[in-house]
Amino acid sequence: EDQVTQSPEALRLQEGESSSLNCSYTVSGLRGLFWYRQDPGKGPEFLFTLYSAGEEKEKERLKATLTKKESFLHITAPKPEDSATYLCAAHSGGGADGLTFGKGTHLIIQP
Amino acid sequence: KAGVTQTPRYLIKTRGQQVTLSCSPISGHRSVSWYQQTPGQGLQFLFEYFSETQRNKGNFPGRFSGRQFSNSRSEMNVSTLELGDSALYLCASSLAVRGTGELFFGEGSRLTVL
Repeated sequence: EDQVTQSPEALRLQEGESSSLNCSYTVSGLRGLFWYRQDPGKGPEFLFTLYSAGEEKEKERLKATLTKKESFLHITAPKPEDSATYLCAAHSGGGADGLTFGKGTHLIIQP
Repeated sequence: KAGVTQTPRYLIKTRGQQVTLSCSPISGHRSVSWYQQTPGQGLQFLFEYFSETQRNKGNFPGRFSGRQFSNSRSEMNVSTLELGDSALYLCASSLAVRGTGELFFGEGSRLTVL
């Protein structure tokens, strides 16, 4: 069974304090690893797709990386507006075509 | 460019009733997926449609069903509602032939079952 586990469940940082969110996955034949951001009362917003180990993608203060077992979302010098729940999802080649989501990391950036 | 539109945004039902939720995808997107989001289970895949055909279905009971129309709009139906069906139901559209490319989500329909 495909599994995606995110840690920590919650993280509180001071503005400017860099950190990383972890996403561990166990899927049959990874076809893509996705990161989304979800604000309260909103649907998830697409951030990145990673396809192979060693791949990295960046957007503003965010950088996503991928290994054969994990993905990391690095947040550099975060601002209060980066506060959100960050969701990781895997698309496997061995089962349903839907994404398998982790339960997310709730990130709070304090001014 | 208009995003994914879901209606209704909020609804309250009682056990045993049924509910129909609607989703209008982004113009030009032919793939529509549905997900259920709860605090305990997170986001779980319900089903995916492309060109009016259900391409795949998640591990949900037969009370959950859906369809897609020729204009790519989609509906999902839950019959014989149970308390555990209370959740945020999210629709997502995609340009990809198989809906698991970059997904664009709507704001969801929040269902409360009493």
